[in-house]
Amino acid sequence: GAGVSQSPSNKVTEKGKDVELRCDPISGHTALYWYRQSLGQGLEFLIYFQGNSAPDKSGLPSDRFSAERTGGSVSTLTIQRTQQEDSAVYLCASSAYTGGYGYTFGSGTRLTVV
Amino acid sequence: AQTVTQSQPEMSVQEAETVTLSCTYDTSESDYYLFWYKQPPSRQMILVIRQEAYKQQNATENRFSVNFQKAAKSFSLKISDSQLGDAAMYFCAYRNFGNEKLTFGTGTRLTIIP
Repeated sequence: GAGVSQSPSNKVTEKGKDVELRCDPISGHTALYWYRQSLGQGLEFLIYFQGNSAPDKSGLPSDRFSAERTGGSVSTLTIQRTQQEDSAVYLCASSAYTGGYGYTFGSGTRLTVV
Repeated sequence: AQTVTQSQPEMSVQEAETVTLSCTYDTSESDYYLFWYKQPPSRQMILVIRQEAYKQQNATENRFSVNFQKAAKSFSLKISDSQLGDAAMYFCAYRNFGNEKLTFGTGTRLTIIP
């Protein structure tokens, strides 16, 4: 597609429920990233996928968070047993190159846990 | 670990005037990249400008330019001839050479006064 597409745009969920956030990167982009932006904060790295390599999961805050990327394209970020502190904007980005080029970001999913 | 500091939570500037946003960072690396991203209310992070640390010349993109002081670990953004469309959150970001993660500052909210 023309840009990075994320769905849903907004999600309200009850504490304890599981949620899935979807990211559809730009066609042909081999690198895909997830970041979290809590209220009033900068972006916090969560996970990075590059082609068929094992993902860099070093930023995932707990084992309730997981992500997968199917067929080297679409990615899903799953949060199990959501907590109120999980409320944030989850941003996805993709890149055609590694090594210093800027990413293309999506518009994010605003997750609210009530 | 690298850190990025933006000491100005909010800035305002008169339309058509010039404004400078500050950013400092801490790293022990010599090869890295620095970025300024703009985040309008749409939430999408938009790359404004990029600087490679090995380049002494300051990057420029139309009305946007940086003042990169490597020894001082300072990377400020100058916006000339400010326009209403420049109103947004601005984030400074750092990335090590060979590492895919971006480290962000906490952002500066820029208001343009008509």
